[in-house]
Amino acid sequence: GENVEQHPSTLSVQEGDSAVIKCTYSDSASNYFPWYKQELGKRPQLIIDIRSNVGEKKDQRIAVTLNKTAKHFSLHITETQPEDSAVYFCAASKDNQGGKLIFGQGTELSVKP
Amino acid sequence: DARVTQTPRDKVTEMGQEVTMRCQPILGHNTVFWYRQTMKQGLELLAYFRNRAPLDDSGMPKDRFSAEMPDATLATLKIQPSEPRDSAVYFCASGVSGITDTQYFGPGTRLTVL
Repeated sequence: GENVEQHPSTLSVQEGDSAVIKCTYSDSASNYFPWYKQELGKRPQLIIDIRSNVGEKKDQRIAVTLNKTAKHFSLHITETQPEDSAVYFCAASKDNQGGKLIFGQGTELSVKP
Repeated sequence: DARVTQTPRDKVTEMGQEVTMRCQPILGHNTVFWYRQTMKQGLELLAYFRNRAPLDDSGMPKDRFSAEMPDATLATLKIQPSEPRDSAVYFCASGVSGITDTQYFGPGTRLTVL
């Protein structure tokens, strides 16, 4: 079955720097790749997603890139702020799975002021 | 702003007791997912439903866990008997399969089994 690997498990950056989190997936049929942000004690919330027919998507300071050939996708956060500190999860899914998402292990991002 | 709701938000119980967690998916959503989150395991899928029918419950310990959808507005996750290793945060999420695979999470139930 599908497996999603996420790196790094922890990431510490200075405020204003960029942060990059990478995920690889094993099933070439996967075609939907969301990213969730989970603040301490809160629910995971969708921040951005990308489908396999698109190579890159941006929303203000966050962007996601997808390389289907290499089967990896990445989350990029620019001009990081302390409120970006959270655990970020990548996930992957494919058609005919009832919407089932396979999640990565999570990355704990710490933005130091 | 429609949201998934879960009750209770916190539950402390003693080993051996029955625990029932409830979830109300967003109105119109046809898929419901139950996850367990611990520090070690990340987000672990326990079971999920589409149109109230169970699609996969292979992530659940079958001898003590059960999941049901009595109707389209209620999903339940039951643990009987509970054990200390069941202590975790249990999240419910809902979505609309076939349109998008986006899942919307509830606030979670923090379960502590003493």
